[in-house]
Amino acid sequence: EVQLVQSGAEVKKPGESLKISCKGSGYNFITYWIVWVRQMPGKGLEWMGIIYPADSDTRYSPSFQGQVSFSADKSLNTAYLQWSSLKASDTAIYYCARQTAYYDLLTADFRGSYGMDVWGQGTTVTVSS
Amino acid sequence: DIVMTQSPDSLTVSLGERATINCKSSQSVLDSSDNKNYLAWYQQKPGQPPQLLIYWASTRESGVPDRFSGSGSGTDFTLSISSLQAEDVAAYSCQQYYNTPWTFGQGTKVEIK
Repeated sequence: EVQLVQSGAEVKKPGESLKISCKGSGYNFITYWIVWVRQMPGKGLEWMGIIYPADSDTRYSPSFQGQVSFSADKSLNTAYLQWSSLKASDTAIYYCARQTAYYDLLTADFRGSYGMDVWGQGTTVTVSS
Repeated sequence: DIVMTQSPDSLTVSLGERATINCKSSQSVLDSSDNKNYLAWYQQKPGQPPQLLIYWASTRESGVPDRFSGSGSGTDFTLSISSLQAEDVAAYSCQQYYNTPWTFGQGTKVEIK
């Protein structure tokens, strides 16, 4: 079965660091991009960015650039989302999903293919003093 | 960034009736070189992760009931549920994957009347 399994819920204090994980199985992990998506309480979906586990190439949304970092360990079929200093406003559910994508030379940008067809179950991050 | 705007924000429909959700992008997501619209629709039920319904604006994902259909091109898109079922109560979001950041619409909540 193709699946993405995320690490468990976290409760942290402002200023603390955190790394959450997303482990893929049932497919060739390095041939799909991993997408990170945020959902704040009661709100819609926000695209944070993508990482390609084969070479750790990344593209961040400007809204999240410098606020988070993505990494991947292809030997473990696992992608990570990390914060160095959490804020209360980071309280949200974080989803990983897989998608194929390609680099368009004309626009110097990444285009997705198909859609995000497999999603993790989500990791709830609560930041509170 | 491409801004995706959905309408309405919420929708109440009787069982068996048609539900229609609109999604408008601030610029075209149609690539003329491959004639594909880089747009997907997702369904999110309470307490669950989103699920892919439609990609390339009109291609149904495997396993998705055929009462769900997507249409449109360029900047204007529609998701239709031909005969609403109780299990279709959810939030629906469009997303473009034409240019990064691959932005989502704000979501539309569908409820039963």
